[in-house]
Amino acid sequence: EIVLTQSPGTLSLSPGERATLSCRASQSVSSSYLAWYQQKPGQAPRLLIYGASSRATGIPDRFSGSGSGTDFTLTISRLEPEDFAVYYCQQYGSSPPRFTFGPGTKVDIK
Amino acid sequence: EVQLVESGGGLVQPGGSLRLSCAASGFTFSSYDMHWVRQATGKGLEWVSAIGTAGDPYYPGSVKGRFTISRENAKNSLYLQMNSLRAGDTAVYYCARVGVRGYCSSTSCYTSYYMDVWGKGTTVTVSS
Repeated sequence: EIVLTQSPGTLSLSPGERATLSCRASQSVSSSYLAWYQQKPGQAPRLLIYGASSRATGIPDRFSGSGSGTDFTLTISRLEPEDFAVYYCQQYGSSPPRFTFGPGTKVDIK
Repeated sequence: EVQLVESGGGLVQPGGSLRLSCAASGFTFSSYDMHWVRQATGKGLEWVSAIGTAGDPYYPGSVKGRFTISRENAKNSLYLQMNSLRAGDTAVYYCARVGVRGYCSSTSCYTSYYMDVWGKGTTVTVSS
C-alpha cells in the first residue's frame, strides 16, 4: 500500500509570498493518478490539481503542480488571503480502486 | 448545477447502525464511480468506500465487513450502511464523484482519476 507524506506540516507565510508544498510517495506513483485538494475550515475539500499538473476548472493560475515518480509539488505563486487553508495530496490506486490521502499541509498567515 | 447532498448522520451508540444517503443532481449519476470519504474532527481525510458504475464495491480494511456501499441509479442516490459502529467511526462523512480525464502525450496515453465534486458532508457521532 502506498503511503503519502506531506511536508511541511505547517507553512507560515504572508500574503504575496510563494508557497511550496511537498508530497512524497512511499513508492513510485503514476503522475496521472496524483491530485491536490484545498480545504478551508467547515468546508468540503475542493479539487485544485489532477494528473499532477492539470488545474481543475476555475482554479486560478497561481496554483501549479509538478513532479513525478515519488516526489510531487504544489506551488502557489503569490498567496492571496483566501489561499490560507489545508492542502492534501491524493493518490489513486487502480487495483482495486481506492484513494489514499496525505496527512495535509496547513498554510497559515505569518 | 452539479450537486451532492448527504443526509442521515446523527448520534448513535457503539455497536449501533446508521445509513447515510447522498442525493446527486445536475449530472448523469449512473455514469460515475462514487466514493465516501470521512474526516474526524481536526484530522485528515480517509477514504471509506467506493462503488463503480456496475455496482462493484470496494473498502479499506478499517471498515470492510462493517460498512456496505450501494447505489440506486433510478433515484440518483448513493448509500452507506454502517454497522457495528465504533467511537473511531465518528467523523464528517462526504460523498464524492470521481472524475476521469484521458489524455495523450507524443508517446503514451494516460487516464486521470480524481474527486471533482464533493457534498458538504453529514456528521456521524458514535458515543454512549
